[in-house]
Amino acid sequence: DTEVTQTPKHLVMGMTNKKSLKCEQHMGHRAMYWYKQKAKKPPELMFVYSYEKLSINESVPSRFSPECPNSSLLNLHLHALQPEDSALYLCASSQEMNQPQHFGDGTRLSIL
Amino acid sequence: RKEVEQDPGPFNVPEGATVAFNCTYSNSASQSFFWYRQDCRKEPKLLMSVYSSGNEDGRFTAQLNRASQYISLLIRDSKLSDSATYLCVVESSSNTGKLIFGQGTTLQVKP
Repeated sequence: DTEVTQTPKHLVMGMTNKKSLKCEQHMGHRAMYWYKQKAKKPPELMFVYSYEKLSINESVPSRFSPECPNSSLLNLHLHALQPEDSALYLCASSQEMNQPQHFGDGTRLSIL
Repeated sequence: RKEVEQDPGPFNVPEGATVAFNCTYSNSASQSFFWYRQDCRKEPKLLMSVYSSGNEDGRFTAQLNRASQYISLLIRDSKLSDSATYLCVVESSSNTGKLIFGQGTTLQVKP
Protein backbone atom coordinates (compact mmCIF):
# COMPACT_ATOMS: atom_id res chain seq x y z
CA ASP A 1 0.00 0.00 0.00
CA THR A 2 1.30 3.40 -0.98
CA GLU A 3 1.42 6.28 1.53
CA VAL A 4 0.87 8.77 -1.27
CA THR A 5 -2.78 8.70 -2.29
CA GLN A 6 -3.92 9.82 -5.72
CA THR A 7 -7.48 10.32 -6.94
CA PRO A 8 -9.08 9.46 -9.22
CA LYS A 9 -7.43 6.19 -10.31
CA HIS A 10 -8.81 6.54 -13.83
CA LEU A 11 -10.10 9.57 -15.71
CA VAL A 12 -11.56 9.90 -19.17
CA MET A 13 -12.20 13.42 -20.39
CA GLY A 14 -12.90 15.34 -23.55
CA MET A 15 -10.61 18.02 -24.89
CA THR A 16 -12.90 20.80 -23.70
CA ASN A 17 -13.36 19.52 -20.15
CA LYS A 18 -11.80 20.86 -16.97
CA LYS A 19 -10.80 18.33 -14.33
CA SER A 20 -8.36 18.06 -11.43
CA LEU A 21 -6.05 15.34 -10.19
CA LYS A 22 -5.46 15.16 -6.46
CA CYS A 23 -2.54 13.89 -4.41
CA GLU A 24 -2.29 13.61 -0.64
CA GLN A 25 0.42 12.49 1.78
CA HIS A 26 0.52 12.51 5.57
CA MET A 27 4.16 11.64 6.06
CA GLY A 28 5.18 15.23 6.79
CA HIS A 29 7.12 15.40 3.54
CA ARG A 30 7.96 18.94 2.43
CA ALA A 31 8.61 18.24 -1.25
CA MET A 32 5.98 17.03 -3.71
CA TYR A 33 6.18 16.26 -7.40
CA TRP A 34 4.11 15.60 -10.52
CA TYR A 35 5.35 13.22 -13.21
CA LYS A 36 3.94 12.07 -16.53
CA GLN A 37 4.62 8.54 -17.76
CA LYS A 38 3.81 7.19 -21.22
CA ALA A 39 3.69 3.45 -21.91
CA LYS A 40 7.08 1.72 -21.91
CA LYS A 41 8.84 5.00 -21.04
CA PRO A 42 10.29 6.22 -17.74
CA PRO A 43 8.53 8.92 -15.71
CA GLU A 44 9.19 12.50 -16.81
CA LEU A 45 9.21 15.28 -14.24
CA MET A 46 6.60 18.02 -14.66
CA PHE A 47 6.62 20.08 -11.45
CA VAL A 48 8.45 20.24 -8.11
CA TYR A 49 7.03 21.90 -5.00
CA SER A 50 9.15 22.54 -1.95
CA TYR A 51 7.59 23.92 1.23
CA GLU A 52 4.42 24.61 -0.76
CA LYS A 53 6.21 26.79 -3.30
CA LEU A 54 6.75 25.90 -6.94
CA SER A 55 10.44 25.13 -7.37
CA ILE A 56 10.64 23.59 -10.84
CA ASN A 57 8.35 23.76 -13.87
CA GLU A 58 9.80 21.61 -16.63
CA SER A 59 8.39 23.79 -19.42
CA VAL A 60 5.01 22.16 -19.04
CA PRO A 61 2.21 23.58 -21.26
CA SER A 62 -0.15 25.95 -19.46
CA ARG A 63 -3.07 23.55 -19.94
CA PHE A 64 -1.55 21.81 -16.88
CA SER A 65 -1.77 23.99 -13.77
CA PRO A 66 -0.37 22.76 -10.43
CA GLU A 67 -1.57 23.92 -7.05
CA CYS A 68 -0.30 23.19 -3.55
CA PRO A 69 -3.02 24.26 -1.07
CA ASN A 70 -1.08 22.99 1.96
CA SER A 71 1.86 20.80 2.87
CA SER A 72 -0.15 17.57 2.49
CA LEU A 73 -1.98 18.25 -0.75
CA LEU A 74 -0.97 18.70 -4.36
CA ASN A 75 -3.42 19.23 -7.20
CA LEU A 76 -3.01 19.23 -10.96
CA HIS A 77 -5.69 21.18 -12.80
CA LEU A 78 -6.35 20.11 -16.37
CA HIS A 79 -7.97 22.18 -19.10
CA ALA A 80 -8.18 21.83 -22.88
CA LEU A 81 -5.95 18.77 -22.98
CA GLN A 82 -4.86 17.08 -26.18
CA PRO A 83 -5.00 13.36 -27.05
CA GLU A 84 -1.21 13.15 -26.66
CA ASP A 85 -1.65 14.09 -22.99
CA SER A 86 -3.11 10.65 -22.36
CA ALA A 87 -0.71 9.00 -19.89
CA LEU A 88 -0.21 7.85 -16.33
CA TYR A 89 0.19 10.86 -14.02
CA LEU A 90 2.22 10.11 -10.94
CA CYS A 91 2.53 12.13 -7.77
CA ALA A 92 5.51 11.67 -5.46
CA SER A 93 6.73 13.12 -2.19
CA SER A 94 9.99 13.22 -0.26
CA GLN A 95 11.13 14.45 3.13
CA GLU A 96 13.26 17.12 1.47
CA MET A 97 14.23 17.64 -2.17
CA ASN A 98 17.36 15.49 -2.10
CA GLN A 99 15.71 12.57 -0.32
CA PRO A 100 14.22 9.44 -1.93
CA GLN A 101 10.84 10.04 -3.52
CA HIS A 102 7.82 7.87 -2.82
CA PHE A 103 5.21 7.53 -5.53
CA GLY A 104 1.46 7.25 -5.48
CA ASP A 105 -0.15 4.64 -7.70
CA GLY A 106 -1.08 7.24 -10.29
CA THR A 107 -4.05 8.47 -12.28
CA ARG A 108 -4.49 6.89 -15.67
CA LEU A 109 -5.77 9.68 -17.91
CA SER A 110 -7.37 9.24 -21.31
CA ILE A 111 -8.24 12.21 -23.52
CA LEU A 112 -10.91 11.62 -26.11
CA ARG B 1 24.45 11.18 -24.84
CA LYS B 2 21.51 10.42 -22.54
CA GLU B 3 21.79 11.71 -18.98
CA VAL B 4 21.19 8.23 -17.56
CA GLU B 5 21.80 5.14 -19.67
CA GLN B 6 20.80 1.57 -18.98
CA ASP B 7 20.78 -1.63 -20.99
CA PRO B 8 17.04 -2.14 -21.63
CA GLY B 9 17.35 -5.92 -21.73
CA PRO B 10 15.25 -7.97 -21.39
CA PHE B 11 17.26 -10.14 -19.06
CA ASN B 12 15.76 -13.62 -18.94
CA VAL B 13 17.21 -15.67 -16.10
CA PRO B 14 16.27 -18.86 -14.25
CA GLU B 15 15.22 -18.83 -10.61
CA GLY B 16 18.22 -18.78 -8.32
CA ALA B 17 20.47 -16.97 -10.78
CA THR B 18 22.55 -13.92 -9.98
CA VAL B 19 21.96 -10.98 -12.28
CA ALA B 20 23.68 -7.60 -12.52
CA PHE B 21 22.38 -4.36 -13.99
CA ASN B 22 24.57 -1.43 -14.92
CA CYS B 23 23.89 2.23 -15.41
CA THR B 24 25.98 5.25 -16.39
CA TYR B 25 25.19 8.92 -15.82
CA SER B 26 26.57 12.02 -17.49
CA ASN B 27 26.41 14.76 -14.84
CA SER B 28 29.42 14.55 -12.56
CA ALA B 29 27.71 17.03 -10.17
CA SER B 30 24.96 14.53 -9.33
CA GLN B 31 24.87 13.66 -5.63
CA SER B 32 21.92 11.33 -5.11
CA PHE B 33 21.39 7.97 -6.76
CA PHE B 34 18.62 5.39 -6.49
CA TRP B 35 17.31 2.14 -7.89
CA TYR B 36 13.56 1.89 -8.32
CA ARG B 37 11.50 -1.12 -9.34
CA GLN B 38 8.38 -0.80 -11.47
CA ASP B 39 5.91 -3.59 -12.14
CA CYS B 40 3.71 -3.48 -15.22
CA ARG B 41 1.04 -0.75 -14.93
CA LYS B 42 2.13 0.08 -11.37
CA GLU B 43 3.98 2.99 -9.81
CA PRO B 44 7.77 3.00 -9.33
CA LYS B 45 8.77 1.75 -5.88
CA LEU B 46 12.05 2.71 -4.22
CA LEU B 47 14.32 -0.32 -4.03
CA MET B 48 17.35 1.33 -2.49
CA SER B 49 19.49 4.43 -2.37
CA VAL B 50 23.03 4.03 -3.68
CA TYR B 51 26.12 5.21 -1.83
CA SER B 52 29.82 5.31 -2.70
CA SER B 53 30.50 2.84 0.07
CA GLY B 54 28.04 0.42 -1.47
CA ASN B 55 24.96 -0.86 0.28
CA GLU B 56 23.24 -4.19 0.66
CA ASP B 57 19.64 -5.07 1.47
CA GLY B 58 19.09 -8.80 1.63
CA ARG B 59 19.65 -10.24 -1.83
CA PHE B 60 20.21 -6.80 -3.38
CA THR B 61 23.54 -4.96 -3.52
CA ALA B 62 24.06 -1.52 -5.04
CA GLN B 63 27.37 0.12 -5.87
CA LEU B 64 28.36 3.61 -7.01
CA ASN B 65 31.61 4.47 -8.75
CA ARG B 66 31.81 8.27 -8.92
CA ALA B 67 35.04 8.31 -10.90
CA SER B 68 33.50 6.24 -13.69
CA GLN B 69 29.98 7.71 -13.18
CA TYR B 70 28.69 4.16 -13.00
CA ILE B 71 26.00 2.55 -10.83
CA SER B 72 25.27 -1.13 -10.46
CA LEU B 73 22.61 -3.38 -8.94
CA LEU B 74 23.27 -7.03 -8.15
CA ILE B 75 20.41 -9.42 -7.41
CA ARG B 76 21.36 -12.76 -5.90
CA ASP B 77 19.20 -15.90 -5.80
CA SER B 78 16.57 -14.45 -8.16
CA LYS B 79 12.92 -15.11 -7.34
CA LEU B 80 9.98 -15.17 -9.72
CA SER B 81 8.69 -12.10 -7.87
CA ASP B 82 11.80 -10.14 -8.89
CA SER B 83 10.43 -9.95 -12.44
CA ALA B 84 9.95 -6.23 -13.11
CA THR B 85 11.58 -3.21 -14.72
CA TYR B 86 14.48 -1.76 -12.75
CA LEU B 87 15.00 1.98 -13.10
CA CYS B 88 18.33 3.66 -12.46
CA VAL B 89 17.62 7.15 -11.12
CA VAL B 90 19.97 10.10 -10.64
CA GLU B 91 19.30 13.51 -9.14
CA SER B 92 20.25 15.92 -11.92
CA SER B 93 22.06 18.35 -9.60
CA SER B 94 22.30 18.80 -5.89
CA ASN B 95 19.14 19.41 -3.89
CA THR B 96 16.84 20.22 -6.80
CA GLY B 97 14.52 17.26 -6.44
CA LYS B 98 14.84 16.78 -10.18
CA LEU B 99 15.26 13.07 -10.80
CA ILE B 100 16.43 11.73 -14.14
CA PHE B 101 15.23 8.20 -14.86
CA GLY B 102 17.01 5.72 -17.05
CA GLN B 103 14.93 3.87 -19.61
CA GLY B 104 14.78 0.86 -17.32
CA THR B 105 16.07 -2.70 -17.52
CA THR B 106 13.47 -5.45 -17.81
CA LEU B 107 14.07 -8.62 -15.80
CA GLN B 108 12.12 -11.81 -16.35
CA VAL B 109 12.84 -14.61 -13.88
CA LYS B 110 11.66 -17.99 -15.14
CA PRO B 111 10.97 -21.19 -13.21
